[in-house]
Amino acid sequence: NAGVMQNPRHLVRRRGQEARLRCSPMKGHSHVYWYRQLPEEGLKFMVYLQKENIIDESGMPKERFSAEFPKEGPSILRIQQVVRGDSAAYFCASSPGTGTGQEKLFFGSGTQLSVL
Amino acid sequence: KQEVTQIPAALSVPEGENLVLNCSFTDSAIYNLQWFRQDPGKGLTSLLLIQSSQREQTSGRLNASLDKSSGRSTLYIAASQPGDSATYLCADKLNSGYSTLTFGKGTMLLVSP
Repeated sequence: NAGVMQNPRHLVRRRGQEARLRCSPMKGHSHVYWYRQLPEEGLKFMVYLQKENIIDESGMPKERFSAEFPKEGPSILRIQQVVRGDSAAYFCASSPGTGTGQEKLFFGSGTQLSVL
Repeated sequence: KQEVTQIPAALSVPEGENLVLNCSFTDSAIYNLQWFRQDPGKGLTSLLLIQSSQREQTSGRLNASLDKSSGRSTLYIAASQPGDSATYLCADKLNSGYSTLTFGKGTMLLVSP
């Protein structure tokens, strides 16, 4: 059973370009979370999705950022018109559910985004 | 707003020492608290999860305790090894349901042979 898979591992973009980060949750997991880790900062929650639904996007900037988790395929975090301040490690996590015993998160290895 | 603080930010010890990592949180009404390990360039690995009704959890050489009333948790590592070198993160969850964790900035541990 493969773990949470994120790709690419490293992504370099110039200012103004688009960044697309992909996350495939663990098999059997239908809950996906995106977190961002800025340099010298702790991980911050961005968005929580279930299949085809955004449940909580309270941690995601209102502009330029969007997320989806389609019925088929990986979850995508999309950043339009990237700026240098978007440079960070973006982590995806998944869980099988939200009830007691199901809420433990399994994290991917992250995507390191560098904006030149 | 929940805040999680970890002390110290960095710790260097010789192999074999027992050590304690500290985590404090401002809102004591947590649902659970987790300790994670983060290796450079890799994701997070969950080490221990303590429910709010529990006082401690143990796994091998690791023991995590939780004192909700004082807003503190500790991670005790016995007989440390160089392979324990990593950044240790604590994170709490305020409510049941989906897991929007609040993370501390971590303690970077170096165990020298």
